[in-house]
Amino acid sequence: GEQVEQLPSILRVQEGSSASINCSYEDSASNYFPWYKQEPGENPKLIIDIRSNMERKQIQELIVLLDKKAKRFSLHITDTQPGDSAMYFCAASVMTGGSNAKLTFGKGTKLSVKS
Amino acid sequence: DPKIIQKPKYLVAVTGSEKILICEQYLGHNAMYWYRQSAKKPLEFMFSYSYQKLMDNQTASSRFQPQSSKKNHLDLQITALKPDDSATYFCASSQPGGLEYFGPGTRLTVL
Repeated sequence: GEQVEQLPSILRVQEGSSASINCSYEDSASNYFPWYKQEPGENPKLIIDIRSNMERKQIQELIVLLDKKAKRFSLHITDTQPGDSAMYFCAASVMTGGSNAKLTFGKGTKLSVKS
Repeated sequence: DPKIIQKPKYLVAVTGSEKILICEQYLGHNAMYWYRQSAKKPLEFMFSYSYQKLMDNQTASSRFQPQSSKKNHLDLQITALKPDDSATYFCASSQPGGLEYFGPGTRLTVL
């Protein structure tokens, strides 16, 4: 089955700087790549996603890049704020015929933004 | 108002007992899922249902049985509980091919 590797596991940045999280996957059939943010004691919340027909997607300060050839995708948070501190999970999935397959998650990145 | 309801929020059980985790979604979604998260493992897919039919089962143990009595319900029955079953269980839902949203979770502790 699909395997997703996520690095780094811990990331500390200064407020106002950028933070980058990298993920790689194994199954070339994977075509959907969401990112979730999880705060302590809370559920994972979808923050941005990208499908395989795109290479780049941006929502405000969040940028996702996808390199299908290298089987890598990444999340970049520009101008980080203390409120961005949380666990971040990448995931990969194969969507076919309009139905969802299981999400395979990376192990998570704990982001701390210092003010 | 919460759109995905999971009950209970916290659950303590003794080894060998049976529990049912409740999930209801009011997003009008036709696909529902169960995931598990523990300190030892990251978010781990367990089951997916679409239009009340089992689509995928990645749980090796038959002790875990999903139950869908209504289109917007997907409960999880766990029998013969073990301490290793201690985890937070998240229900999620989506439209087929759409974005997946997670419920608040049920934190299960097995003593």
